[in-house]
Amino acid sequence: DTEVTQTPKHLVMGMTNKKSLKCEQHMGHRAMYWYKQKAKKPPELMFVYSYEKLSINESVPSRFSPECPNSSLLNLHLHALQPEDSALYLCASSQDPGGRAWFFGPGTRLTVL
Amino acid sequence: KNEVEQSPQNLTAQEGEFITINCSYSVGISALHWLQQHPGGGIVSLFMLSSGKKKHGRLIATINIQEKHSSLHITASHPRDSAVYICAVDGGSQGNLIFGKGTKLSVKP
Repeated sequence: DTEVTQTPKHLVMGMTNKKSLKCEQHMGHRAMYWYKQKAKKPPELMFVYSYEKLSINESVPSRFSPECPNSSLLNLHLHALQPEDSALYLCASSQDPGGRAWFFGPGTRLTVL
Repeated sequence: KNEVEQSPQNLTAQEGEFITINCSYSVGISALHWLQQHPGGGIVSLFMLSSGKKKHGRLIATINIQEKHSSLHITASHPRDSAVYICAVDGGSQGNLIFGKGTKLSVKP
């Protein structure tokens, strides 16, 4: 199994809602990443988990809350988002945080109303 | 100046043409990645390079570490190759990729 899966594919939420994005990989990768991508822009790093511990938080607002319950699963909890948070949220994994092959998920298209 | 520069930004080709996309970077790297993204879609990893040349089907990627330059070539291009091609470098230490702005390729039948 050499893929990263993400659910849901699409999500529409209001500014007062609480929702979660889910990312899963079963390749034994120990580094997992959340990226945010706006239209026609390259992905921007949000969070890095290394060996299930948060190693990088790129000054992301607290309305985004990551969680890594185990080595295969990465969640992104969303609360009180703003319309400008609408974007494609991409999950990625690599064997470890150091120059190994990367795998990207298909992304979750988030729209905040 | 961006740490990863790609050229061209946009490229239109006729089906069957040979295509080259270039990437230059200014930081030390442990690996360079070529990625493909179709409109509205997720990212597919095409190649990871740390030296030399790799080939997969009609795609060829090369890297020159001394010159800090990489190229992605597509032979016998096809409309299904239409996508954004992104160069990204892995500095190794923090475990993050630094992305170029991408090259939007459109192959006309």
